[in-house]
Amino acid sequence: EPEVTQTPSHQVTQMGQEVILRCVPISNHLYFYWYRQILGQKVEFLVSFYNNEISEKSEIFDDQFSVERPDGSNFTLKIRSTKLEDSAMYFCASSAHNEQFFGPGTRLTVL
Amino acid sequence: KQEVTQIPAALSVPEGENLVLNCSFTDSAIYNLQWFRQDPGKGLTSLLLIQSSQREQTSGRLNASLDKSSGRSTLYIAASQPGDSATYLCAALTGGFKTIFGAGTRLFVKA
Repeated sequence: EPEVTQTPSHQVTQMGQEVILRCVPISNHLYFYWYRQILGQKVEFLVSFYNNEISEKSEIFDDQFSVERPDGSNFTLKIRSTKLEDSAMYFCASSAHNEQFFGPGTRLTVL
Repeated sequence: KQEVTQIPAALSVPEGENLVLNCSFTDSAIYNLQWFRQDPGKGLTSLLLIQSSQREQTSGRLNASLDKSSGRSTLYIAASQPGDSATYLCAALTGGFKTIFGAGTRLFVKA
């Protein structure tokens, strides 16, 4: 069964460094999402992406964040200058129309 | 601003019991509502999706209902099993493909 994959599973970085989190959505899906979940807290929406542009973004998704679909398969989240409070699980999701399917997540640890 | 609330926050039941998890949302202008399961340290698994025009969906021992006018959805789990132990999340998809999650109900089913 097709699934969303994410790499790496765990990323450790120093504060101020740039990180790129990668996702491969399900192949025929058109809508892509990034979420984060700080340990013990709610899943928070970051951004939705459709037709090669951002559809909606939350107040969390400020100028340090960007998303890109560099080719026909990958969907990336870049955090330009990481902060301690960016430490969280980052989930990618995709959907064909409505039902969203999530990847296993990338645990980002900022030291 | 859409807010999603889940009650109860935690629930412990003996195996075999039928149970109901509640989800409420403040803005009835939703496209759909989706229920997920999250196991500790893992990603989200889609359980059921209810479109805004639908009243309920069923999958095996799970039944989800949606009442947009009252801003409520319920997830009914029949004949609970220890393997059902997990956190159950509801999420409302709003305009622009922004998804708002509740904080979840942590379920423990005792053998």
